[in-house]
Amino acid sequence: AQKITQTQPGMFVQEKEAVTLDCTYDTSDQSYGLFWYKQPSSGEMIFLIYQGSYDEQNATEGRYSLNFQKARKSANLVISASQLGDSAMYFCAMREGPGSGAGSYQLTFGKGTKLSVIP
Amino acid sequence: KAGVTQTPRYLIKTRGQQVTLSCSPISGHRSVSWYQQTPGQGLQFLFEYFSETQRNKGNFPGRFSGRQFSNSRSEMNVSTLELGDSALYLCASRDRGNSGEQYFGPGTRLTVT
Repeated sequence: AQKITQTQPGMFVQEKEAVTLDCTYDTSDQSYGLFWYKQPSSGEMIFLIYQGSYDEQNATEGRYSLNFQKARKSANLVISASQLGDSAMYFCAMREGPGSGAGSYQLTFGKGTKLSVIP
Repeated sequence: KAGVTQTPRYLIKTRGQQVTLSCSPISGHRSVSWYQQTPGQGLQFLFEYFSETQRNKGNFPGRFSGRQFSNSRSEMNVSTLELGDSALYLCASRDRGNSGEQYFGPGTRLTVT
């Protein structure tokens, strides 16, 4: 079974509108981390937001927020007030285990969602 | 602080050759990971290094190897290149005490002909 599922291969959003990118995950670990990265056509992966499995509050970073629903194993990214520069591939990723100390920091990525912002 | 740097940015090699890619992490970051990105397989984990020790390795053949130096810089090597090795190779670094953010470099785009 896939550990990270992104069901939307492509999304369109009007400039200045909000958009939600879906991500579901599968893990039996109690301690894990969820990440969203943006990858423009240049190829660089840009870190957007992080949510730890024990974090009670949903993570927010500027226009990005992560809608974390632990029981449903979903970690959707919400981008508010979309801008033309938001057009890119977006990847959801998961680190299983605490990631600190001697633990591994391996990330498992979803297939990505291509977001296109329309002027 | 300067970000993660990777050299070279682009590389064209012939089947059967070998290649070495380099990654310099963010200053102070001692953990470096490598990923391969292809259109078919997506992003796949290659290795993770901390303090010159390989902590974890992904499901790749032995042709893929890596190492980390005392200054935290890392290299990965692919021997006997195959056409399927054509990919974007991404390096990421993090502060090991931080369980959250991991920062990626711009990648090396390898084309095998």
